Amino acid sequence: DAGITQSPRHKVTETGTPVTLRCHQTENHRYMYWYRQDPGHGLRLIHYSYGVKDTDKGEVSDGYSVSRSKTEDFLLTLESATSSQTSVYFCAISEGGTSGNTIYFGEGSWLTVV
Amino acid sequence: AQTVTQSQPEMSVQEAETVTLSCTYDTSESDYYLFWYKQPPSRQMILVIRQEAYKQQNATENRFSVNFQKAAKSFSLKISDSQLGDAAMYFCAYRSVRSGAGSYQLTFGKGTKLSVIP
Repeated sequence: DAGITQSPRHKVTETGTPVTLRCHQTENHRYMYWYRQDPGHGLRLIHYSYGVKDTDKGEVSDGYSVSRSKTEDFLLTLESATSSQTSVYFCAISEGGTSGNTIYFGEGSWLTVV
Repeated sequence: AQTVTQSQPEMSVQEAETVTLSCTYDTSESDYYLFWYKQPPSRQMILVIRQEAYKQQNATENRFSVNFQKAAKSFSLKISDSQLGDAAMYFCAYRSVRSGAGSYQLTFGKGTKLSVIP
């Protein structure tokens, strides 16, 4: 199993509150990703990082921000949570390059916004 | 932008039988990677098989094999000797090999729910 730890695994929060999800990896991989999974949509990319302090937006980035101050940690922040952000969030990592094109996923974080 | 389509929202198979899950994709790139991921009820995303577009030979992993038709942009997954543990959502995914920022992310289909009947 890829060394990816997501925290918290489950969280219930109120509308309008800030929420931060953490992804920690022990593989020293360059690329890290945040996806969300919703019924009927599969997995959609929120943000990704290609190095420390290097991040970019994905397909569904509105309402989310990210930070990566260390190789091993990638944080996803919901500045002001809304009910539409109730979802399962997956962190993923990849080494990148021609020898590391497989993306490995964490176990997911269940977020409910009430 | 690339798109991935899985036209079968649900499928079922008898235990020990063979089932094929369909996936088509749209891209203007000539080199890329394709993947099948399995998601059991635990929601863990598990890599099943991967295919490099430059390879003509279809990838195989034990009971799992693919039929990769590059010209048709088709990438189907065949599961042989189906087992109860194969019951899961299966996602097809595309990944570019372009270099530089913005590359290496996965584009997923919406998934096929596979049920295995004892």
